[in-house]
Amino acid sequence: EAGVAQSPRYKIIEKRQSVAFWCNPISGHATLYWYQQILGQGPKLLIQFQNNGVVDDSQLPKDRFSAERLKGVDSTLKIQPAKLEDSAVYLCASSLWTSGSSTDTQYFGPGTRLTVL
Amino acid sequence: AQKVTQAQTEISVVEKEDVTLDCVYETRDTTYYLFWYKQPPSGELVFLIRRNSFDEQNEISGRYSWNFQKSTSSFNFTITASQVVDSAVYFCALSEAGSGGYQKVTFGTGTKLQVIP
Repeated sequence: EAGVAQSPRYKIIEKRQSVAFWCNPISGHATLYWYQQILGQGPKLLIQFQNNGVVDDSQLPKDRFSAERLKGVDSTLKIQPAKLEDSAVYLCASSLWTSGSSTDTQYFGPGTRLTVL
Repeated sequence: AQKVTQAQTEISVVEKEDVTLDCVYETRDTTYYLFWYKQPPSGELVFLIRRNSFDEQNEISGRYSWNFQKSTSSFNFTITASQVVDSAVYFCALSEAGSGGYQKVTFGTGTKLQVIP
């Protein structure tokens, strides 16, 4: 079974530029997550989708970050404009969600390492 | 609010020694799930184990074992006869049901384990 795919793996940009990351979850997984992991810290949830609807974006800096999952499968996370403090690894995860289930294991992609200069 | 504390920032052990990684959590829910993930230098978070709050039976899987104690809100992880390949950052995570029925996951800050040959 193929895992969670992410691209690109690495990205270097200058501050105030824009950047986009792509994620393709495990086939059949209804829930998709974007996390930000700053060096030396644990992953922090940015946004969570259930199919193509947002269920939690409380920690997403909406003035510069946006995400979409138009067809309920793959997803794009965008930063515009980027700041120095956005340098981090952006992790995508997916989980199989079934009605009535209170939790499901998240499976992670390899991440995109973003460096903002 | 849920919280996960991994007090050990870094641990170094000599190969073949046993090592225990500590995890303490806080939650108001009676139903919750606990996870351990491994993050090797490659960066991808690898799922190791998931336990629910109703199952305090300790588990052993090869060289890995987990000790879940609700009375002390702890979910510790032990590696027996450590190997160099065990060198990684290990994250403990807590999942609760968020409003709307979706799960809300909080990660600890991680423990970096270095196994010295």
